[in-house]
Amino acid sequence: AQKITQTQPGMFVQEKEAVTLDCTYDTSDPSYGLFWYKQPSSGEMIFLIYQGSYDQQNATEGRYSLNFQKARKSANLVISASQLGDSAMYFCAMRWSRNDMRFGAGTRLTVKP
Amino acid sequence: EAGVTQFPSHSVIEKGQTVTLRCDPISGHDNLYWYRRVMGKEIKFLLHFVKESKQDESGMPNNRFLAERTGGTYSTLKVQPAELEDSGVYFCASSLLGLAGVETQYFGPGTRLLVL
Repeated sequence: AQKITQTQPGMFVQEKEAVTLDCTYDTSDPSYGLFWYKQPSSGEMIFLIYQGSYDQQNATEGRYSLNFQKARKSANLVISASQLGDSAMYFCAMRWSRNDMRFGAGTRLTVKP
Repeated sequence: EAGVTQFPSHSVIEKGQTVTLRCDPISGHDNLYWYRRVMGKEIKFLLHFVKESKQDESGMPNNRFLAERTGGTYSTLKVQPAELEDSGVYFCASSLLGLAGVETQYFGPGTRLLVL
């Protein structure tokens, strides 16, 4: 069965430092996509970054990068140079051939000044 | 370009009442999804439309929930009668029709439902 796990309910990081948010997944389907979403206090879900299971290189989008380790089934999000505005809930999600998306429980990131 | 919009942003109703949530996807997006996040739990898939057809409704919790997408544009999710455990945030997302696992789903701001 497909499963997404985020083991860090909360994380703290000092402003301007880098932080890694963990995400592991489990699937037997060879084709899948991995996503990270940010949910600020206002509630909307903001797409951050995508990694396909067949992509050879790790995805990067500005200050966001995805550390994709396929053999370990992990897709950690790395945020470089943290900003106060990065404080939010972060959800890892996986989508496979069934078209729906499974979400992890989320990690609440707090950036300290 | 307008994003996914949802209405209302908040709804407070009493147990036993009916509530209808609306989602307007991004123009041209044939895929439309409903998710919900019940307090303290993870976001869960409810159902998936491709245009006006229900592709997958395996996540719908019970027959008190009815989703429609007449004409393949906006979608409604009706809860009748609402129960206390239905309280949570209901998200809608849309994406272009493409290869599974490739297209990105864009989420709306959510509707916060509170059943008293």
